[in-house]
Amino acid sequence: AQTVTQSQPEMSVQEAETVTLSCTYDTSENNYYLFWYKQPPSRQMILVIRQEAYKQQNATENRFSVNFQKAAKSFSLKISDSQLGDTAMYFCAFSSATSGTYKYIFGTGTRLKVLA
Amino acid sequence: GAVVSQHPSWVICKSGTSVKIECRSLDFQATTMFWYRQFPKQSLMLMATSNEGSKATYEQGVEKDKFLINHASLTLSTLTVTSAHPEDSSFYICSASLSSYNEQFFGPGTRLTVL
Repeated sequence: AQTVTQSQPEMSVQEAETVTLSCTYDTSENNYYLFWYKQPPSRQMILVIRQEAYKQQNATENRFSVNFQKAAKSFSLKISDSQLGDTAMYFCAFSSATSGTYKYIFGTGTRLKVLA
Repeated sequence: GAVVSQHPSWVICKSGTSVKIECRSLDFQATTMFWYRQFPKQSLMLMATSNEGSKATYEQGVEKDKFLINHASLTLSTLTVTSAHPEDSSFYICSASLSSYNEQFFGPGTRLTVL
């Protein structure tokens, strides 16, 4: 069975600094997708970035980028120029076509606090 | 695009009553919808997967007779919590996906409190 591990329950970063959130996963499949979601206090899940396993190039979305190491099964999220609005829970998620349905498996989350 | 709504956003009910939560995809047709439960300061736990026109697939440990899921159309799925008890109090989140694209789009969630 696939598993997703986020080993950092809480992190803090100064505004404008850079922070990296870690995520590791375990799977025997070769084709899958990885996601980082943000859940602010409103509790609305917001997609931050996604990565297809078949793509070697790391995904980037403005201030957010990932370091995808397929062999190591690692998928870390780097937030550059941190802003107060980045304060939220961040969940790493794994998805593959299991029984024809792309179910998500979420990590336990990292609570990020950006300090003014 | 890809907006998912949930109704109601919060509900309080008495123990023993049933509560229905609606999940709608507003601007796309969702062949698959998912229902999650989230306890405070915890991750999302998948409860079930529903496909339009067929029975929902429940995750291990989820009581299908207690959490009734209906996916009657490509834009609507409902979760009914039957004979609710205080331990059913939680935050329930739905998501929807397109058949040919695996990304899930999440609703804003429903907070259920059972007195």
